[in-house]
Amino acid sequence: GESVGLHLPTLSVQEGDNSIINCAYSNSASDYFIWYKQESGKGPQFIIDIRSNMDKRQGQRVTVLLNKTVKHLSLQIAATQPGDSAVYFCAENPPEYAGNNRKLIWGLGTSLAVNP
Amino acid sequence: NAGVMQNPRHLVRRRGQEARLRCSPMKGHSHVYWYRQLPEEGLKFMVYLQKENIIDESGMPKERFSAEFPKEGPSILRIQQVVRGDSAAYFCASSPYETSGRAADTQYFGPGTRLTVL
Repeated sequence: GESVGLHLPTLSVQEGDNSIINCAYSNSASDYFIWYKQESGKGPQFIIDIRSNMDKRQGQRVTVLLNKTVKHLSLQIAATQPGDSAVYFCAENPPEYAGNNRKLIWGLGTSLAVNP
Repeated sequence: NAGVMQNPRHLVRRRGQEARLRCSPMKGHSHVYWYRQLPEEGLKFMVYLQKENIIDESGMPKERFSAEFPKEGPSILRIQQVVRGDSAAYFCASSPYETSGRAADTQYFGPGTRLTVL
């Protein structure tokens, strides 16, 4: 089946640096994408979302970029802090479940480790 | 305002026993979702419930698994005759309304129940 995959299973950065977490998706018709953060022992936490009619969306210290040409999604975290250490998941909403977020396809996750 | 609560946080069962996982949604939320997460994998949808109704159970195994969300009390995910393959983290999420229409930011997850089947 179609799925979302991640280029890097682990990412280690220095505190204060910017982090970039990448995600590849396979369904070119997917039109809604979400990034979640999951800290150890906790449930996923919504970070930011983006619709396919946008290339970029900014939140507080986070930016999501969408490149539909190569089916690539990235999450940029500015001035990474120790509290950003977590596993980050991207998820896509496939067209056959448009508008139905419980049918999201989740990627495998990237572990971000922030070194003080 | 308390968040989504799940208990127990850790549950150990032997093969063949029953597992009951509880989820209390956020105050004012009437929509509950259950997900399963295997180690180092993303979440897989299992079931979506509103009070006293199962709306979508397409992600739930046909046998041994059941879910309910009674008028009063928490939502329960019940696994009968557990097998080792049921070992996973089970997450509950709640929302004030169905998270359709691109409203993923209104779905709040609980801390999960980690089920270990010996």
